[in-house]
Amino acid sequence: DAGVIQSPRHEVTEMGQEVTLRCKPISGHDYLFWYRQTMMRGLELLIYFNNNVPIDDSGMPEDRFSAKMPNASFSTLKIQPSEPRDSAVYFCASSFHSTSTDTQYFGPGTRLTVL
Amino acid sequence: GNSVTQMEGPVTLSEEAFLTINCTYTATGYPSLFWYVQYPGEGLQLLLKATKADDKGSNKGFEATYRKETTSFHLEKGSVQVSDSAVYFCAQNGGATNKLIFGTGTLLAVQP
Repeated sequence: DAGVIQSPRHEVTEMGQEVTLRCKPISGHDYLFWYRQTMMRGLELLIYFNNNVPIDDSGMPEDRFSAKMPNASFSTLKIQPSEPRDSAVYFCASSFHSTSTDTQYFGPGTRLTVL
Repeated sequence: GNSVTQMEGPVTLSEEAFLTINCTYTATGYPSLFWYVQYPGEGLQLLLKATKADDKGSNKGFEATYRKETTSFHLEKGSVQVSDSAVYFCAQNGGATNKLIFGTGTLLAVQP
């Protein structure tokens, strides 16, 4: 398996622009997670899905952020409008089943820079 | 609430030195505990895990024991290599979900 795939790997945009990050989970995994990593706040869970349905979005910072999972093999995280404080590395992760011990497999991340 | 606290880095060691990275947690339930490693420019990878008290997780020479009495899960390795240089994250799942709570990460730099 190719692992979790994220695109783009790097994104540079200007304040106010819309940004869309993409994720393809590992085939057969039914949980998908979006994280944000910054120096100041470390790793934060933004939202996660089970069987394409959002389960917990309490970590989404504000209404400018939205996430979708239209099918089992694709998810997007959208920021509109983007702000400089959104600059971070965004990770997608997936796992199989819902037991508390299951491993989450992370993608390589998207480094977002908002100017 | 549930949280994870790990020692701040960076930790700088010479090759073949002994490594300890401290991690403690607070939890309302009985969490599973994890160590993840992040190599430069990559995503996180699971290094090891333990699901109940007194369990020992191990992988690639690294070990950590789930200590309920001290709410700790310290990472150890007897002899580090340059290739172990990375950021190490301790994490827990709060006891009932696979919603992970991470520590702030500890940068390990191993010098030849």
